[in-house]
Amino acid sequence: AQSVTQLDSQVPVFEEAPVELRCNYSSSVSVYLFWYVQYPNQGLQLLLKYLSGSTLVKGINGFEAEFNKSQTSFHLRKPSVHISDTAEYFCAVMVASNYQLIWGAGTKLIIKP
Amino acid sequence: DGGITQSPKYLFRKEGQNVTLSCEQNLNHDAMYWYRQDPGQGLRLIYYSQIVNDFQKGDIAEGYSVSREKKESFPLTVTSAQKNPTAFYLCASRGLAGGSYEQYFGPGTRLTVT
Repeated sequence: AQSVTQLDSQVPVFEEAPVELRCNYSSSVSVYLFWYVQYPNQGLQLLLKYLSGSTLVKGINGFEAEFNKSQTSFHLRKPSVHISDTAEYFCAVMVASNYQLIWGAGTKLIIKP
Repeated sequence: DGGITQSPKYLFRKEGQNVTLSCEQNLNHDAMYWYRQDPGQGLRLIYYSQIVNDFQKGDIAEGYSVSREKKESFPLTVTSAQKNPTAFYLCASRGLAGGSYEQYFGPGTRLTVT
């Protein structure tokens, strides 16, 4: 069965510092990969997605992620975070055979002033 | 503007009462989904529908029911059989043509049952 693991439940980081949020998945078949952001008491918003092609994908708000097939990872990065990036971030994997999304448990990004 | 609306944003009910959460989309999407979100658990799929008058159970369908009488609407009923209904409920939709694959989310409904 497929699964998604977000290795950190919380990541504290100082404002203007770089950040990496980690995501690993287990699947033996083709997948599509997504990162979503959720601000408090709101729905989820798509940050970026990997469907095919270049393994480095750029998203909104200065975020990017790199698909690494050999390590089955899709880590999210930002070179310099801002207080407005405080939110919970979810990694999700879609198995190409049935198009259902499998979700990670989320990582809360905490920006320290 | 196209999007997904969920109403109400906050809902309070007494134990033993059924309650229906609304989800409407004007994105012309074929597929619609209901998720439940609890702290530290990510999103869990309750029901989904890919076409009008048809829907499938997700991972945690017990105690919930849905209908899909119109393409735009996918209401979720939380029945009194749901043992722990207090949660944040999210509705999403996805277009099945064009190869986009991502789901679009509504703002959510926070249900509190006491």
